[in-house]
Amino acid sequence: QLHLQESGPGLVKASETLSLTCTVSGDSISSSHYFWGWIRQPPGKGLEWIGSMFYRTGTYYNPSLKSRVVISGDTSKNHCSLKMTSVTAADTAMYFCAGGDSRFLEWFAAFDVWGQGTMLTVSS
Amino acid sequence: QSVLTQPPSASGTPGQRVTISCSGSSSNIGSNYVYWYQQFPGTAPKLLIYRNNERPSGVPDRFSGSKSGTSASLAISGLRSDDEADFYCTAWDEVRSGPVFGGGTKLTVL
Repeated sequence: QLHLQESGPGLVKASETLSLTCTVSGDSISSSHYFWGWIRQPPGKGLEWIGSMFYRTGTYYNPSLKSRVVISGDTSKNHCSLKMTSVTAADTAMYFCAGGDSRFLEWFAAFDVWGQGTMLTVSS
Repeated sequence: QSVLTQPPSASGTPGQRVTISCSGSSSNIGSNYVYWYQQFPGTAPKLLIYRNNERPSGVPDRFSGSKSGTSASLAISGLRSDDEADFYCTAWDEVRSGPVFGGGTKLTVL
């Protein structure tokens, strides 16, 4: 059974770089059919896609965040990581890591497995 | 401002049938599948409907999805108190090259 667990600093200062990690268990991040993504949700608001990764082909980003975001995979640790530069208060949100099974989902369109999320607060 | 448009709230009494709409455009719903998530407070979203009207294993058949043109809807029949949650629609958007979401609909069971 696939399980995802996010981890992060909880609090980051404005203008700094955010680093979050998603530990994957139950499958490999280099899986032939699972793709991975990061989605965030500001307090009391809706969902926003940040970006996705399929280990064998590359990464895809939300155009509005693309200049500040890098998603990468580490097969030695079975991690999927998110880095976001120059954070501001607007980046305060719950950050979710998610996985999508391409055997029944369109590539990168939706996710059937989610982590519990990690809250990130940007302080001034 | 969300790319897909959902009503902010919906309500019904136990046993009723409720529908939640999701409106988009030709670059998203009009040309791609629609998906629905259910999210309880303090938890991660759960995939409820995929490819317009398919249910993942474990999702009751009280939940159904449909799509017509650039709009979609989620129907919940036999409403139960534990259906109270936020519901989000999503679809791939060809212009933005990524999934876009509706703003979410908060379902209240009266």
